[in-house]
Amino acid sequence: GDSVTQMEGPVTLSEEAFLTINCTYTATGYPSLFWYVQYPGEGLQLLLKATKADDKGSNKGFEATYRKETTSFHLEKGSVQVSDSAVYFCALSPGGNNNDMRFGAGTRLTVKP
Amino acid sequence: DTAVSQTPKYLVTQMGNDKSIKCEQNLGHDTMYWYKQDSKKFLKIMFSYNNKELIINETVPNRFSPKSPDKAHLNLHINSLELGDSAVYFCASSQVFPSGSGANVLTFGAGSRLTVL
Repeated sequence: GDSVTQMEGPVTLSEEAFLTINCTYTATGYPSLFWYVQYPGEGLQLLLKATKADDKGSNKGFEATYRKETTSFHLEKGSVQVSDSAVYFCALSPGGNNNDMRFGAGTRLTVKP
Repeated sequence: DTAVSQTPKYLVTQMGNDKSIKCEQNLGHDTMYWYKQDSKKFLKIMFSYNNKELIINETVPNRFSPKSPDKAHLNLHINSLELGDSAVYFCASSQVFPSGSGANVLTFGAGSRLTVL
């Protein structure tokens, strides 16, 4: 079935470092792709999304491009802050009228001052 | 106003007990979900309801029974609790866009941490 695989954590960076969290997907159709973020003690929040190939989602300095040729949706940020410390989840929705949402295993990011 | 609210936030109970977690959404969404998050943060879908109808029922022990009295509520009842049921349970809701025109975005509650002793 449809699934996503993301890089294992934890990831520890210094403030202002460049961030990449890899995510690849397997899907039979044309899924929508998402990144969700979970701050400590909270539920998941949508960070960004892309609904078709070559779309770029962006929010709060984070970006991810939907690459069909490499089946990837890597998350990047040019300069991380301490407040970006959280768990990041890549997710896939098959699309159409399929309500399903499949999450990756999550990657914990810790940013140190 | 909280969009997706779940109660209780924390629940500590003994093995063998029966407990319920309630979820309500005020977003007017048609679809609601229950997810289980284990200690390693792995998130697994358990159930999904669309307009009170069960549409996703993953391999979950039948001790878990969802109930949706209306499309704004999805409760989770768990019988005969076991140690392995300890986890954070997240409720979520979404509105599915017409085919091909958008994306299914989930709104999550803050989670209910269940500890079984």
